[in-house]
Amino acid sequence: QSALTQPASVSGSPGQSITISCTGTSSDVGNYNLVSWYQQHPDKAPKLMIYEGSKRPSGVSNRFSGSKSGNTASLTISGLQAEDEADYHCRSYAGGISWVFGGGTKLTVL
Amino acid sequence: QVQLVQSGAEVKQPGASVKVSCKASGYTLTSYYMHWVRQAPGQGLEWMGIINPSGGSTRYAQKFQGRVTMTRDTSTSTVYMEVSGLRSEDTAVFYCARERIVNDWNYPLCYGMDVWGQGTTVTVSS
Repeated sequence: QSALTQPASVSGSPGQSITISCTGTSSDVGNYNLVSWYQQHPDKAPKLMIYEGSKRPSGVSNRFSGSKSGNTASLTISGLQAEDEADYHCRSYAGGISWVFGGGTKLTVL
Repeated sequence: QVQLVQSGAEVKQPGASVKVSCKASGYTLTSYYMHWVRQAPGQGLEWMGIINPSGGSTRYAQKFQGRVTMTRDTSTSTVYMEVSGLRSEDTAVFYCARERIVNDWNYPLCYGMDVWGQGTTVTVSS
């Protein structure tokens, strides 16, 4: 199972919007609406931000949204804030009771 | 409150085994699947495998087949993950994370890894 492809880094200024892509294949991202996104601050455990492609758990800001087109899922963060600076990881169900993560994206708030 | 508390850091020699525990509290262990995830220094997350604490069934990532064993003890609400044949590349932080999954495994409903342990650092060094 190959890792999903994410950009190594993205950046944006406070108040702006950014989008992080997560590209897989027709066997994972493209075949299931089961991408989730995780935020991870340095030396902390990851935190669930989006599940089933576009759903937000209770307590997650509506500035975070998820979408999918074909084999690529995306996480959009609007109204960037300093505390959004973190690593973001996507994960997809890959069939056969297996999951695959992306390589992670470092978000810098300028 | 709902939490997963993992065992402490370990230092192991190459070739040794390590067993990491993950104790659940604040919810019924058997109501959620448990994943194990590895994160090497400066790297992304890597899915290792999953255990259904209800029946004990497991599924491991192909990369870890034969080297990883996941078990559970429902009497203590604890899940375990053992890695054998440790090598330097296994130096990493290991996380447990629960997920609610409604399983028709062809098209399951996966509600995301919503609670994570604090992580256990395993260092493999001679």
